[in-house]
Amino acid sequence: AQSVTQLGSHVSVSEGALVLLRCNYSSSVPPYLFWYVQYPNQGLQLLLKYTSAATLVKGINGFEAEFKKSETSFHLTKPSAHMSDAAEYFCAVRHLGAGSYQLTFGKGTKLSVIP
Amino acid sequence: NAGVTQTPKFRVLKTGQSMTLLCAQDMNHEYMYWYRQDPGMGLRLIHYSVGEGTTAKGEVPDGYNVSRLKKQNFLLGLESAAPSQTSVYFCASNPSGGANEQFFGPGTRLTVL
Repeated sequence: AQSVTQLGSHVSVSEGALVLLRCNYSSSVPPYLFWYVQYPNQGLQLLLKYTSAATLVKGINGFEAEFKKSETSFHLTKPSAHMSDAAEYFCAVRHLGAGSYQLTFGKGTKLSVIP
Repeated sequence: NAGVTQTPKFRVLKTGQSMTLLCAQDMNHEYMYWYRQDPGMGLRLIHYSVGEGTTAKGEVPDGYNVSRLKKQNFLLGLESAAPSQTSVYFCASNPSGGANEQFFGPGTRLTVL
């Protein structure tokens, strides 16, 4: 069964500092990968997705993620944190193949931005 | 387009009561899903549907039933609510095929006393 591991349930950064949120997945074949963001009391919103077109994926709000097959990783980064980035971030994997409609989510990383 | 909507937004039940959560989408999506979100657990799939009239079990289906009588609606039922079902419930949908991302509703916060 596929799984997603997000290292660190809570990450704090200073405003203007680099944001790095880690995601590793388990899969025998390259999957589709997603990062979602959840602001307080809201649903999930797509930040970006990897579909094998390019290993470096750019998303909304200045976020990007790099797919590294050798490391089975899809870490999320942003060069300079903004207060509005404070939210919970979820990595998810969707596998190819028959019946592969489901997403498996990581447990989430809550990002705090310190002024 | 309203996207994915959920009703109600909040609900408090007593143990043993029943209720139905309604999810509606106006994007003509084939696939629809019900998740529950609990602190530190991420999102876990309860049931899903790949088309009108079809449903299937997800990771945590026990205690829930679903129906997809119309393409745009996906209902989640709790026949006899238990405190363990206190959670935030999210509905999502996506079109068929490929890497299409799931679109999420705003959630329903359910408390079972």
